[in-house]
Amino acid sequence: NAGVMQNPRHLVRRRGQEARLRCSPMKGHSHVYWYRQLPEEGLKFMVYLQKENIIDESGMPKERFSAEFPKEGPSILRIQQVVRGDSAAYFCASSPPRVQEQFFGPGTRLTVL
Amino acid sequence: AQSVTQLGSHVSVSEGALVLLRCNYSSSVPPYLFWYVQYPNQGLQLLLKYTSAATLVKGINGFEAEFKKSETSFHLTKPSAHMSDAAEYFCAVSVSYSSASKIIFGSGTRLSIRP
Repeated sequence: NAGVMQNPRHLVRRRGQEARLRCSPMKGHSHVYWYRQLPEEGLKFMVYLQKENIIDESGMPKERFSAEFPKEGPSILRIQQVVRGDSAAYFCASSPPRVQEQFFGPGTRLTVL
Repeated sequence: AQSVTQLGSHVSVSEGALVLLRCNYSSSVPPYLFWYVQYPNQGLQLLLKYTSAATLVKGINGFEAEFKKSETSFHLTKPSAHMSDAAEYFCAVSVSYSSASKIIFGSGTRLSIRP
């Protein structure tokens, strides 16, 4: 059983461009979570999704950020019009229903020039 | 609201010495607690988890943690540090929904090992 997959592992964007980060959960996991780790800081919760539903987006910035987890395909975290402050590592985690433990992917490191 | 506080952003110990990383939690309900390790430029790896089955939890790589309700603590220990233990360690608590949870992380403790 493959672990949580994230791609790309590294992403470089110029200010004003769009960034798309992908996350494929582990097989059988219907819950996906996105976390952001700013340099020298801990991980901060962004959003929790189930298939085709956003359950909790209390950690998402109000503008430019969106997330989806379609019926088919990976979960996507989309950042529009990136700014330098968006530079961070973005981690995806997944879990099956009614399980407290989450399994983390290797992360996508976004650099905004 | 549930939260965790890690005391000490940086801990340095000698190789072979005891490792003690401190974590205190705040929770209005019995918590699920975790310790994760992050090596440079890598993702998070679960070291151990507390799910109320036993107060002393043994994890991977020789680490263990003890849940102390009276002290609201979940400190991570290892009897003898190894150079390969140098990493960032995160204490975390799970906030539950009806069918899943989100994890609240502490700010992390960077562990350095002196030769």
